[in-house]
Amino acid sequence: AQSVTQPDIHITVSEGASLELRCNYSYGATPYLFWYVQSPGQGLQLLLKYFSGDTLVQGIKGFEAEFKRSQSSFNLRKPSVHWSDAAEYFCAVGARRGSTLGRLYFGRGTQLTVWP
Amino acid sequence: EPEVTQTPSHQVTQMGQEVILRCVPISNHLYFYWYRQILGQKVEFLVSFYNNEISEKSEIFDDQFSVERPDGSNFTLKIRSTKLEDSAMYFCASTRETGELFFGEGSRLTVL
Repeated sequence: AQSVTQPDIHITVSEGASLELRCNYSYGATPYLFWYVQSPGQGLQLLLKYFSGDTLVQGIKGFEAEFKRSQSSFNLRKPSVHWSDAAEYFCAVGARRGSTLGRLYFGRGTQLTVWP
Repeated sequence: EPEVTQTPSHQVTQMGQEVILRCVPISNHLYFYWYRQILGQKVEFLVSFYNNEISEKSEIFDDQFSVERPDGSNFTLKIRSTKLEDSAMYFCASTRETGELFFGEGSRLTVL
């Protein structure tokens, strides 16, 4: 069965500290992997995606993620967190369906709090 | 920057009432989706829509749900007879062929 696990429900870091949010997935086909961010009252904004190729992908706002097939993981990282990064982060997995993307399976999300 | 817009942002309704949630996808997008998130739970896929028909639907998307693209710009989700468990945030999304989904800000539905 397809699923995504984000083991950390809530993470708190100090501004300027490094960040790693964990994501593990279970998916039968070659996965497409995504990280989305949601600020209060906002929609889901795509941070980055992995379809194929280089397993280290760069995204917006200084985020990066590394796809590790052997560990079924797609962890999100940022070297130095800013207060504006406080939000909820969702990992998602899907696959191509015809000419576009099939359904995405989301994790439960990790709430990030940033201390000044 | 083009964006997906959803209305209403919040709707409160009585159990058994019909609800229509509206979405305006990005104008040159071809594929449209509805997802929902019950409070405290995962974001869940409901349905995808392409070329004026449903291309995929989840087990959640039963006969109480329907989607329509009535006029070439709007994309609607109708819930015929709402239940308490339909209370959730409903997200519309759209994409071209790239597979990058663009989500709206969501419509919060509260069923009393």
